[in-house]
Amino acid sequence: DAGITQSPRYKITETGRQVTLMCHQTWSHSYMFWYRQDLGHGLRLIYYSAAADITDKGEVPDGYVVSRSKTENFPLTLESATRSQTSVYFCASSGNRETEAFFGQGTRLTVV
Amino acid sequence: DQQVKQNSPSLSVQEGRISILNCDYTNSMFDYFLWYKKYPAEGPTFLISISSIKDKNEDGRFTVFLNKSAKHLSLHIVPSQPGDSAVYFCAALGNKFYFGSGTKLNVKP
Repeated sequence: DAGITQSPRYKITETGRQVTLMCHQTWSHSYMFWYRQDLGHGLRLIYYSAAADITDKGEVPDGYVVSRSKTENFPLTLESATRSQTSVYFCASSGNRETEAFFGQGTRLTVV
Repeated sequence: DQQVKQNSPSLSVQEGRISILNCDYTNSMFDYFLWYKKYPAEGPTFLISISSIKDKNEDGRFTVFLNKSAKHLSLHIVPSQPGDSAVYFCAALGNKFYFGSGTKLNVKP
């Protein structure tokens, strides 16, 4: 299927566990992003990537790790999940820095 | 500190009337602004954008106005329809995109 897909859609994990959220896009977009959405904060950028093997921190990177070995994939890993990381996570991609981004459906993560 | 602010968490409008959603920003270096629309359980979708060299951009029922001196942009929806009920995010581009906290629009039939 063409587009941008995230998996899983829902995830419950325990404090201290490692969890990886997957993101895959089929457009060969250069830029990919991870956001988290929390009430009262809107969308906050966690990490972004301008191309394969190039990643950079966003506004709230602490506790997260990303990699981009292939253009189409941009996984987000929580190395040791905390309750404050309970959130809805959105992956997005765009063709270049100054165009609109296309978002995935989101992953609702609950850390208990 | 939030660089992009949407001070109205919610807005309720009658069908057929105008909806005006507001957004303020703090960084005068922002040069590109977008509005996204988000339905529950879906990702945000792009709605309309405006470059800082313009003060207005129109696309069908949607118009975005930019007032650089006031660091303010607004989204006008005319006429509003029940299907427009969603959360609207504004975003501004500096070295990266910064999003506001969103305004939930409810259009009543």
